Amino acid sequence: GENVEQHPSTLSVQEGDSAVIKCTYSDSASNYFPWYKQELGKRPQLIIDIRSNVGEKKDQRIAVTLNKTAKHFSLHITETQPEDSAVYFCAASRGGGADGLTFGKGTHLIIQP
Amino acid sequence: DTEVTQTPKHLVMGMTNKKSLKCEQHMGHRAMYWYKQKAKKPPELMFVYSYEKLSINESVPSRFSPECPNSSLLNLHLHALQPEDSALYLCASSQGPSSPETQYFGPGTRLTVL
Repeated sequence: GENVEQHPSTLSVQEGDSAVIKCTYSDSASNYFPWYKQELGKRPQLIIDIRSNVGEKKDQRIAVTLNKTAKHFSLHITETQPEDSAVYFCAASRGGGADGLTFGKGTHLIIQP
Repeated sequence: DTEVTQTPKHLVMGMTNKKSLKCEQHMGHRAMYWYKQKAKKPPELMFVYSYEKLSINESVPSRFSPECPNSSLLNLHLHALQPEDSALYLCASSQGPSSPETQYFGPGTRLTVL
């Protein structure tokens, strides 16, 4: 089955700086890569996703890049704000036929004021 | 309605009890999922339903029994659980089945087994 590795497990950055979280996956058939943000006691919220036919996607301060050859994808958050503090999970799936998501272990992002 | 709802929010049960978790969506999604999330861990897939039929069972113990009565509703029946089954149980739905699909999560049911 799919295995998703995520690094780092904890990331502390100064407010206004950028944050980068990296994930690698093992199953070359995976073609859908979402990122979820989960605040304490809340549900995972989709923040951005990318499909295998795209190399990069951006939504305001958030961007995701995908390298299918190397089987890795990254989340970039620019101009970080205190409300960005949360746990971020990357995930992968094959899609098609309602495939479940395989999650990375998560990154605890701490924004220092 | 663009939300997945789950009831109850919290559930405390003994090891001999029988209880059920409920999940509902009115987005016309045809795929629904159950995930289990332990504290400080990622969600782990348990079951996938596609067009009301069970399509994936990730080797979950039989004390967890899923049911999909219709396209909007997903239940998880619990019986003879163990304390280590205490976790946040998340339901999700996606438009499915087509490739690839965005999954939307409900708020979860926090289960404590005594």
